[in-house]
Formats: sequence, structure tokens, C-alpha cells
Amino acid sequence: NAGVMQNPRHLVRRRGQEARLRCSPMKGHSHVYWYRQLPEEGLKFMVYLQKENIIDESGMPKERFSAEFPKEGPSILRIQQVVRGDSAAYFCASSSGTGSIGEPQHFGDGTRLSIL
Amino acid sequence: AQTVTQSQPEMSVQEAETVTLSCTYDTSESNYYLFWYKQPPSRQMILVIRQEAYKQQNATENRFSVNFQKAAKSFSLKISDSQLGDTAMYFCAFIAGSGAGSYQLTFGKGTKLSVIP
Repeated sequence: NAGVMQNPRHLVRRRGQEARLRCSPMKGHSHVYWYRQLPEEGLKFMVYLQKENIIDESGMPKERFSAEFPKEGPSILRIQQVVRGDSAAYFCASSSGTGSIGEPQHFGDGTRLSIL
Repeated sequence: AQTVTQSQPEMSVQEAETVTLSCTYDTSESNYYLFWYKQPPSRQMILVIRQEAYKQQNATENRFSVNFQKAAKSFSLKISDSQLGDTAMYFCAFIAGSGAGSYQLTFGKGTKLSVIP
């Protein structure tokens, strides 16, 4: 499967635990974006990363959330000390990074995070 | 602020009929792209169609076409010969600008489309 791969598909955590969401971009893509979808809502931008660089994290909550895209391996969205309000679907998208603002972002299947 | 409004939370259509989903947007940028994404019950996000703002011609992808009215900032999606597999949430989205933030997709809240056999 050459598409964007996210895992796990479903993740259950108790309040106060840490959640780690993984995203492997499409082959040949070096740009990764994370979006969050709350129930009954559209997706909201969180962060944009290139290899080893965070380009824009303006959509990330200031505390408890962090993201990385190391030189080797998948991009990771990390949520520390989770709370019930973090329950959502988290989508990763990737693009080839040609520089065109209209280049399509290809999405993974998402990770549904549930907080008990 | 850049916003996308989808005024129809839910719609239904008979199989083989045609349905139009509406979308309006607001941006002060002149350079932007518009998209329709489909999210079936499996929750994947699938790109359906893309429109470049500077192109007058409406985009078409098989049974899917758009009616792009730039002056009215309207971008509706027409689905012809509806099929059961078209049942999904449909999200209108755009990317605008040429500087910071020009890679952030802004999404509407979605329209839930049900195709009835």
C-alpha cells in the first residue's frame, strides 16, 4: 500500500496517560500535516512538518501536544496527560512539497482516540 | 478570517438521480484552490475534485462536477447518477494565499449524503 499509513487505527487511553499517533507519508512525500476532527465537525489544521523541521504549529494546543518528523521513521503526534476533550479523530496527510499551494494533500485513514 | 460554510447538514438522493451539495467560502486572497473531500463510514478522507480559482472552467471528474461562481464565492458539487457507494460525509475545503498558512486546508462542517436504493 503506497498510501499514507497511520497507526493505530483506534487508540484508547485513560485520563493522564500519553498517546502516540504515528504517520508514514506516501512514498516520495516529504511534507506531513496533522489535522484533528472533533465529532460533527470538519477537520482543523494542527501542524505542518518537513523532515526534522516543524514549519508551522499554529494549530497545536500550547500545552501537552507535540509533533516530530525525524530523518528516519514516521511522523509522531504525541499527546501527554490526555483529557476527555482530546477524544477525536486525528488525520495525517502528506504532499510531495512541490511548492504549489494547490498540491493535493493525501490523507491517511485516521486514528480515533478515545479517552476513558 | 477564512471560512467555509456548508449550509446543508444532511441530504438524501434516490439512486441514479442527481444531487447538488452547496458550499460558500470567504477569503481576501486572490490565489486559492478549492476541494471537495468525501468521508465514507470507514472514515477515510478521499479527494473527490479540485478547482483552481484562476480557472474559469469548472472541474469535472467522471460523475462529479463543480459549479464554481467566483464572484459569489460559491463552490457547489454535483453528483450525477448517484450510487450507493456515494453515501458519505462531503467536506468542502480550500487553501488560500501564497505566504504563511498557504498550506492549511480550511474545512467546512460537512454535508451528510445518503443515497437511497
